Amino acid sequence: ETGVTQSPTHLIKTRGQQVTLRCSSQSGHNTVSWYQQALGQGPQFIFQYYREEENGRGNFPPRFSGLQFPNYSSELNVNALELDDSALYLCASSLVDSTDTQYFGPGTRLTVL
Amino acid sequence: DQQVKQNSPSLSVQEGRISILNCDYTNSMFDYFLWYKKYPAEGPTFLISISSIKDKNEDGRFTVFLNKSAKHLSLHIVPSQPGDSAVYFCAALNTGNQFYFGTGTSLTVIP
Repeated sequence: ETGVTQSPTHLIKTRGQQVTLRCSSQSGHNTVSWYQQALGQGPQFIFQYYREEENGRGNFPPRFSGLQFPNYSSELNVNALELDDSALYLCASSLVDSTDTQYFGPGTRLTVL
Repeated sequence: DQQVKQNSPSLSVQEGRISILNCDYTNSMFDYFLWYKKYPAEGPTFLISISSIKDKNEDGRFTVFLNKSAKHLSLHIVPSQPGDSAVYFCAALNTGNQFYFGTGTSLTVIP
């Protein structure tokens, strides 16, 4: 049973660019959630995907979008990057009826210059 | 608006003593609470949880207490061990399955 993996580990972009972050869910998990963790803060919920559809969204603008694929892997896309988008981005996988038990990946550290 | 708050950014405890980590929340609609532990360069890992219908849940050295009237929960670790040194996040889950995390408390257990 493999855990949750994320790529890349680190990424540096400039303001205005677009970025795609990737997540592979834990085997057997059909739900993925994405979080943004700014420095010194707790993870903030961005959105959740189940069966390739968005299944809940936090207080993030539309330039944050996502995809979930048939194999339950997922992407987080951020357009028109802003300096405040610099953060650790975490994905977590779970079963839709057990979202209280999430398994987190190690995160992608995004720096926007 | 921070709906889950951890007001102590850090805590140091001697090995063998009790560690008490505190968490407050503002939304009375939260019905499930969790504690996560995070080591550097790793994602948070689930530690222990409690439903809003209970006031205590125990798992080995870890006990979580919930005081709904005060909108307060705490995590007790006893006895504390050096390997417990990590950042601890409390989280609350609403009926829409959305998680709200606190800002974390960095625990250092001194050998």
